[in-house]
Amino acid sequence: DGGITQSPKYLFRKEGQNVTLSCEQNLNHDAMYWYRQDPGQGLRLIYYSQIVNDFQKGDIAEGYSVSREKKESFPLTVTSAQKNPTAFYLCASKGFGGSSTEAFFGQGTRLTVV
Amino acid sequence: AQSVTQPDIHITVSEGASLELRCNYSYGATPYLFWYVQSPGQGLQLLLKYFSGDTLVQGIKGFEAEFKRSQSSFNLRKPSVHWSDAAEYFCAVGATGGFKTIFGAGTRLFVKA
Repeated sequence: DGGITQSPKYLFRKEGQNVTLSCEQNLNHDAMYWYRQDPGQGLRLIYYSQIVNDFQKGDIAEGYSVSREKKESFPLTVTSAQKNPTAFYLCASKGFGGSSTEAFFGQGTRLTVV
Repeated sequence: AQSVTQPDIHITVSEGASLELRCNYSYGATPYLFWYVQSPGQGLQLLLKYFSGDTLVQGIKGFEAEFKRSQSSFNLRKPSVHWSDAAEYFCAVGATGGFKTIFGAGTRLFVKA
């Protein structure tokens, strides 16, 4: 079945550590996205990529980094510079059509700082 | 700037009662509008979308939404709510000039027996 797979589902990070969240899609979608979700704040865009080897900062990119070496993969690294990383992280992808197409979402990764 | 407002942070309805979730958008042209649903600890699932044409859009799970350009609204409705509809609902608009989607803050629906 086609879809988006995020791993792990739960992740714990110690203070000062970098952690990487995985996102893989087999939908043959060009565009991929990372969102952060906090209670009562909806979804905030961290980074997005429209094509391999290219990505753009979203609204809250500070303390995060991404790469897009393959069409299927868009990993997110939460660096030690992110002061409040505890949140639910969602990866999404879109096919050709840009604004008119819907986003498909993974099941999310819940990151907790311990 | 494009934006989406969901005025109700949470709503409680009785099982079997009708439901309407409000969504207002700010957009300069004909918008692409979406409603998504999220169960706790899960990703978002598309309920329905509006691009053009008939302003009443049917979606999955018995939901529908009506686009009203004069009111800049895209409210979600369901005639009879089931306990399994308890979730968080997000309205969204497709932004022009790129691939971004702008989401509202969400409305959490509680269903009481």
